[in-house]
Amino acid sequence: DTEVTQTPKHLVMGMTNKKSLKCEQHMGHRAMYWYKQKAKKPPELMFVYSYEKLSINESVPSRFSPECPNSSLLNLHLHALQPEDSALYLCASSQGPPDQPQHFGDGTRLSIL
Amino acid sequence: KQEVTQIPAALSVPEGENLVLNCSFTDSAIYNLQWFRQDPGKGLTSLLLIQSSQREQTSGRLNASLDKSSGRSTLYIAASQPGDSATYLCAADSGAGSYQLTFGKGTKLSVIP
Repeated sequence: DTEVTQTPKHLVMGMTNKKSLKCEQHMGHRAMYWYKQKAKKPPELMFVYSYEKLSINESVPSRFSPECPNSSLLNLHLHALQPEDSALYLCASSQGPPDQPQHFGDGTRLSIL
Repeated sequence: KQEVTQIPAALSVPEGENLVLNCSFTDSAIYNLQWFRQDPGKGLTSLLLIQSSQREQTSGRLNASLDKSSGRSTLYIAASQPGDSATYLCAADSGAGSYQLTFGKGTKLSVIP
């Protein structure tokens, strides 16, 4: 079982819907990440939070809005998504670089109709 | 910009065989290198992390090596088992405190009983 929990596991939404992805970890990690992974491709970094502050935004469209309410929780708010946004969205956490590995959740499979 | 390459893209071996997966990177100024395993439809599981000052790391039947000067890392799996079947990804952290991993496209391993 993964120590990073993501909900929901699957999400189907229309292009006009608003939904949120949730990620939770209780390992005391201070860095949390959102990745997007398309089929047969490696994960692509979207956002990084360090000590609950957004430290990296990899030029992600504004229809994706991250939020870190506290050190254990990470949300990704979705609005007006496009069909090409369909992918597996992975959350990860780490104690922090340089010598600590990132721990990943099982992801949310998102389908945009 | 760091680029990470994994060859081969797919590998099929009979059960019990020892095998080596390859990973190369273009910028030798890496901070650490991680190996992950990904099962279909799942998140990534961290296998081994090698810091730039280390040459290798071992965990059970897995041994990962790092040669910064040649820009290469290998993952050695001893006595392969069908349960080892998965996609193996390597990722390079190219900056101290950067939190940013550059992933290879992975090697899909099939271990045939």
